[in-house]
Amino acid sequence: QQQVKQSPQSLIVQKGGIPIINCAYENTAFDYFPWYQQFPGKGPALLIAIRPDVSEKKEGRFTISFNKSAKQFSLHIMDSQPGDSATYFCAASSGAGSYQLTFGKGTKLSVIP
Amino acid sequence: NAGVMQNPRHLVRRRGQEARLRCSPMKGHSHVYWYRQLPEEGLKFMVYLQKENIIDESGMPKERFSAEFPKEGPSILRIQQVVRGDSAAYFCASSPDLRRGSNTEAFFGQGTRLTVV
Repeated sequence: QQQVKQSPQSLIVQKGGIPIINCAYENTAFDYFPWYQQFPGKGPALLIAIRPDVSEKKEGRFTISFNKSAKQFSLHIMDSQPGDSATYFCAASSGAGSYQLTFGKGTKLSVIP
Repeated sequence: NAGVMQNPRHLVRRRGQEARLRCSPMKGHSHVYWYRQLPEEGLKFMVYLQKENIIDESGMPKERFSAEFPKEGPSILRIQQVVRGDSAAYFCASSPDLRRGSNTEAFFGQGTRLTVV
């Protein structure tokens, strides 16, 4: 049973565009929602994370929008650059610690010059 | 300040052999987590360990897989009698003590890519 559904599977945008990646979850106990960026051959790196007490969080060019009632959250990348080309994973966790992350299947983003 | 170190980066094993994957956490981190990533898939949680203790192994297959994090030395993920379906990237992450509401995070290593032939 996939608890975090991520879409789209792949995304191509032009430089300067605003790719949007969406995730939906089922488990209402989730209370921590991070996004990870992964380059080929590398491990995932935390990009930005949000907790359900806020509806939006912005860090640099990256913004998370969170809709608790719909159980959805999304990542927006402003002014995207070719260096942003990577696979992006949303994740969620609950409980006393944020260690046991449930990941989406990933979105492969390509930003073309 | 070295990050999470995993070795080997690539490991090839024949069916039936044993695979040992090592993970040295970041300095000051006493918590280790192992995840498995199948091709074109997200990461799946396997096990959470603290020094000398397995805290949560709910994601570990019941047979052939084991993990340890001894008092001294790296954490080891051991796969006995490997099969083709074990081919995947195995990632280790480490963290300091993560408490509810804290802003600490788990940092991932670069992974070990296991290929079973």
